[in-house]
Amino acid sequence: NAGVTQTPKFQVLKTGQSMTLQCAQDMNHEYMSWYRQDPGMGLRLIHYSVGAGITDQGEVPNGYNVSRSTTEDFPLRLLSAAPSQTSVYFCASSYLRGGGSPLHFGNGTRLTVT
Amino acid sequence: KQEVTQIPAALSVPEGENLVLNCSFTDSAIYNLQWFRQDPGKGLTSLLLIQSSQREQTSGRLNASLDKSSGRSTLYIAASQPGDSATYLCAVTEKEKGADGLTFGKGTHLIIQP
Repeated sequence: NAGVTQTPKFQVLKTGQSMTLQCAQDMNHEYMSWYRQDPGMGLRLIHYSVGAGITDQGEVPNGYNVSRSTTEDFPLRLLSAAPSQTSVYFCASSYLRGGGSPLHFGNGTRLTVT
Repeated sequence: KQEVTQIPAALSVPEGENLVLNCSFTDSAIYNLQWFRQDPGKGLTSLLLIQSSQREQTSGRLNASLDKSSGRSTLYIAASQPGDSATYLCAVTEKEKGADGLTFGKGTHLIIQP
C-alpha cells in the first residue's frame, strides 16, 4: 500500500518558470490537500479538495492552481514561480474531511526558486 | 484567528525518561486535535486523533489529553527511546473554518539521548 505519493522529491526552478507538483493516493480518500512548510512559519494550507471536481482555497492560495479530475490525483501547479515559493510542499489525504480521521502525508517536494 | 503554540520548541532528555509535550490553542471551538510526528526529510505521520468530545487517546507508550475549555493538549511519552527522536506537531480543526484544513503549531524538536 503506497499511501500518498509525491513527485518530484526535489526541484529547482528559475523565476517565472511553471511546473506541476504531482500527488497521488491509493486509499480512495475523498479529502486531499496541499500544505507548504517554511522555517518559523509551520505548515500552511494552500488548497484542498473534498472530492473529484471540487476544490477550494486555503490560507495561502496565491500563485497556485489545483484541479481534481479523479479521486486519486490532486496536482498543484505553480503558474509563474517566485523566490517566495521556495518551500517544502506536502500533499495530504484523509478519509473524512475536517480532521475527522487521521491525515496521511506524502514525503514532500523540496522546491527552490532562484 | 486561531493560533497554536507548542512549548518547548526543543527538548533533549536521556533515554528512559517520561516526558510531556505541550500544545495550546487560542480558540476552543475546535472539532478535533491531532498529534503528528515528523522525521527529518519526511512527511508527517499521524500519531493520535482526539475528537472534541473526548478527553484523551492512547496508543502504546503515547497518551494525548485534551482540555478544550483551557485550550490545551499534552502528549505524554512513556519510557522514551532514541527512536522517539523527531519533531512533534499538534494541529487543530476549527468549526469556524467549515471543518476544512488544520492549523498547525510549529512543533517540538525532541532528542532522546542514548
